[in-house]
Amino acid sequence: QSVLTQPPSVSGAPGQRVTISCTGSSSNIGAGYDVHWYQQLPGTAPKLLIYGNSNRPSGVPDRFSGSKSGTSASLAITGLQAEDEADYYCQSYDSSLRDWVFGGGTKLTVL
Amino acid sequence: EVQLLESGGGLVQPGGSLRLSCAASGFTFSSYAMSWVRQAPGKGLEWVSAISGSGGSTYYADSVKGRFTISRDNSKNTLYLQMNSLRAEDTAVYYCAKVADIVVVPAAIHDYWGQGTLVTVSS
Repeated sequence: QSVLTQPPSVSGAPGQRVTISCTGSSSNIGAGYDVHWYQQLPGTAPKLLIYGNSNRPSGVPDRFSGSKSGTSASLAITGLQAEDEADYYCQSYDSSLRDWVFGGGTKLTVL
Repeated sequence: EVQLLESGGGLVQPGGSLRLSCAASGFTFSSYAMSWVRQAPGKGLEWVSAISGSGGSTYYADSVKGRFTISRDNSKNTLYLQMNSLRAEDTAVYYCAKVADIVVVPAAIHDYWGQGTLVTVSS
């Protein structure tokens, strides 16, 4: 059971918009700790996608955006493409556990 | 170009030991904290351990505290993870990841990852 809760799977057709939620609590996201998002393409290592809740590293398309409110964060992907099919993970810090914590991951399927 | 190359994984019996290495290049190694993150087969990511750029501060997940030791040799641009008293539940791909700060802060961003090395604990 992950400290940060993500839906196991989401799907969308090419060109559509999907969102992936990351729900935490008052000891992590709700305490004001930043949320980062990682993309893991099949058979590869994770890659930083969004940092500091809503910032994109150089090279990440602006189709990817992040937001945070209260005890939750969200990753939105617009103009869905086949190459976006991957697992997506959120990460934050938990002050009760004193650990860096990841969500359980969400598998995105492009129909 | 930042490169992280893990090595040292393999098959080990329960109770055994293994030492992982991560050779870094493409950035000033001593200026950045580093982490180990693992992924059990078919499962999600789990943070394991982190170390500051100087090596003076180390952090561990409860699941490995007392069994694993993280260290670094800044003269060799190499990160290590000494794993003792290994259990079946330690079976995973172990990734080393660069942290975007010299110290390990709550907002730690893992901005670059290696390709991982597989550790299998089985008799």
